[in-house]
Amino acid sequence: RKEVEQDPGPFNVPEGATVAFNCTYSNSASQSFFWYRQDCRKEPKLLMSVYSSGNEDGRFTAQLNRASQYISLLIRDSKLSDSATYLCVPNTGRRALTFGSGTRLQVQP
Amino acid sequence: DAGVIQSPRHEVTEMGQEVTLRCKPISGHDYLFWYRQTMMRGLELLIYFNNNVPIDDSGMPEDRFSAKMPNASFSTLKIQPSEPRDSAVYFCASNDREWTEAFFGQGTRLTVV
Repeated sequence: RKEVEQDPGPFNVPEGATVAFNCTYSNSASQSFFWYRQDCRKEPKLLMSVYSSGNEDGRFTAQLNRASQYISLLIRDSKLSDSATYLCVPNTGRRALTFGSGTRLQVQP
Repeated sequence: DAGVIQSPRHEVTEMGQEVTLRCKPISGHDYLFWYRQTMMRGLELLIYFNNNVPIDDSGMPEDRFSAKMPNASFSTLKIQPSEPRDSAVYFCASNDREWTEAFFGQGTRLTVV
């Protein structure tokens, strides 16, 4: 099993919609994680950090389900500018960040 | 701070040539990472350094790849000889301690023809 697995998408949603992505991880000891956002042909940038069961920042909510070993990202009221690839990064116990392959979101007018 | 700086931004080279990618981490960051990103394999860790010392190079694909960090403000990733399958975007990233946000450079887009 891969350390981190994500549905590649793309998720095509209309503006204003709510969309959620999941990310599964194999290290049962993971207790924290990051969500990164990567725009086309750009570098990844941190979107959210989560050090407990979840975090909320405006329209974005991230949650950790330890029992099922998955991480979710919920985006409410989607904007065109949310179109990007979202990479999950669970704490695998290694010092270097291990990235999922990403889920592509396309918000349409 | 200007952030992580990588050069060149784009590199096109012929198969068999030597390629050197450069990175300047954020000042004060003790960790430096080299990643490679392709459509097929996503973002893969190649190697990382702590205080200029290579810690984990298990992601370096072959002996053709080598990385150095002669001082705290500079690192290189060298491919010799280059092959078409090395074509990818190579990112350098840095952070200041374990399990914190890693800041990425803008990447070097390498094309080997």
